[in-house]
Amino acid sequence: AQSVTQLGSHVSVSEGALVLLRCNYSSSVPPYLFWYVQYPNQGLQLLLKYTSAATLVKGINGFEAEFKKSETSFHLTKPSAHMSDAAEYFCAVSQPNFGNEKLTFGTGTRLTIIP
Amino acid sequence: DAGVTQSPTHLIKTRGQHVTLRCSPISGHKSVSWYQQVLGQGPQFIFQYYEKEERGRGNFPDRFSARQFPNYSSELNVNALLLGDSALYLCASSLEDRASYEQYFGPGTRLTVT
Repeated sequence: AQSVTQLGSHVSVSEGALVLLRCNYSSSVPPYLFWYVQYPNQGLQLLLKYTSAATLVKGINGFEAEFKKSETSFHLTKPSAHMSDAAEYFCAVSQPNFGNEKLTFGTGTRLTIIP
Repeated sequence: DAGVTQSPTHLIKTRGQHVTLRCSPISGHKSVSWYQQVLGQGPQFIFQYYEKEERGRGNFPDRFSARQFPNYSSELNVNALLLGDSALYLCASSLEDRASYEQYFGPGTRLTVT
């Protein structure tokens, strides 16, 4: 079984401030982890993914995330927030089982950027 | 290259009716997955198809069915619609059916059941 918990359904940060979105996972096997972003009335876009290589993963738009097995966490960060970062962010987990790439998503975190 | 396309964009149906949603994957992608996203929640996995075979099914009733065609496009069918089926239905395609391959999402079909 696999699950994801995103702490904080709404996060507000000032433009230029650090962005930190929290994600904790549960998985019976070493997981693959993903962060997706969703802009209003659009589908999901992959920001970054962890697939058991380097624990610090760099993604698009200046985002990065660190896989911490001991804390079962995969928090998303960005050093300096930009107005265009305002969106809904989803953490997701899957299990590397050949023939099954089901993604299990968290409930999402809505990021608001304060000018 | 075109991304994942879905049709229709929006749909309004009445309780008890049937609906068919369509998805065209990125050219060369053989795997298609369907997700349901209820307002305010994360997407939930419904089905995955690879090479026209069902590879995974989520916790959805038998009213939900899907298929994949030889050109890898896919249809999601929902019978006997309920108000609770109102949601954004997302289709995602990937090159292969391994979890490490990125899933590319379409813009979704917004289904409203009245």
